[in-house]
Amino acid sequence: GENVEQHPSTLSVQEGDSAVIKCTYSDSASNYFPWYKQELGKRPQLIIDIRSNVGEKKDQRIAVTLNKTAKHFSLHITETQPEDSAVYFCAASTNFGNEKLTFGTGTRLTIIP
Amino acid sequence: KAGVTQTPRYLIKTRGQQVTLSCSPISGHRSVSWYQQTPGQGLQFLFEYFSETQRNKGNFPGRFSGRQFSNSRSEMNVSTLELGDSALYLCASSLFQDTQYFGPGTRLTVL
Repeated sequence: GENVEQHPSTLSVQEGDSAVIKCTYSDSASNYFPWYKQELGKRPQLIIDIRSNVGEKKDQRIAVTLNKTAKHFSLHITETQPEDSAVYFCAASTNFGNEKLTFGTGTRLTIIP
Repeated sequence: KAGVTQTPRYLIKTRGQQVTLSCSPISGHRSVSWYQQTPGQGLQFLFEYFSETQRNKGNFPGRFSGRQFSNSRSEMNVSTLELGDSALYLCASSLFQDTQYFGPGTRLTVL
């Protein structure tokens, strides 16, 4: 089955700097890659997703890149703000999200004011 | 549209008991997935239902079961509870081949 590895497990950055979280997946059939943000005590919230027919997607300060050959994808957050502090999960799925999501182990991002 | 709702939000049970959790998807969503979240294992897929049929199942013992009703609401049941079943149980709903939206979860504590 699919296996998703996520690094780093914790990340601290100064406010205003950029943060990058990386994930690798094992199943070459995976074609849908969402990123979720989970604040303490709250539900995971989708922040951005990418499908395998696209190499990069951007939404304001958040971007995701996908390298199908290397089977890895990354989340980039620019101009970080204190409200970006949370746990971020990457996930992978086949059938464009119509199958189960396999999640990475999460990255706890702390923005230092 | 109202988001995904889950009831109850918190549950305390003792070992050996059984529990039923409920999930109401976003209106129009026919797919409901369940996940278990623990600090040690992260988010793990339990099962997924679409139009009252279980389409996918994760690697959990048979004590974990679920069902979906004709209105797309879903329930999951855990029988013979064990201490290790203490977790946040999340359900997520989606349209066909689309984003999964999570509910707030049910926090289950087994004593």
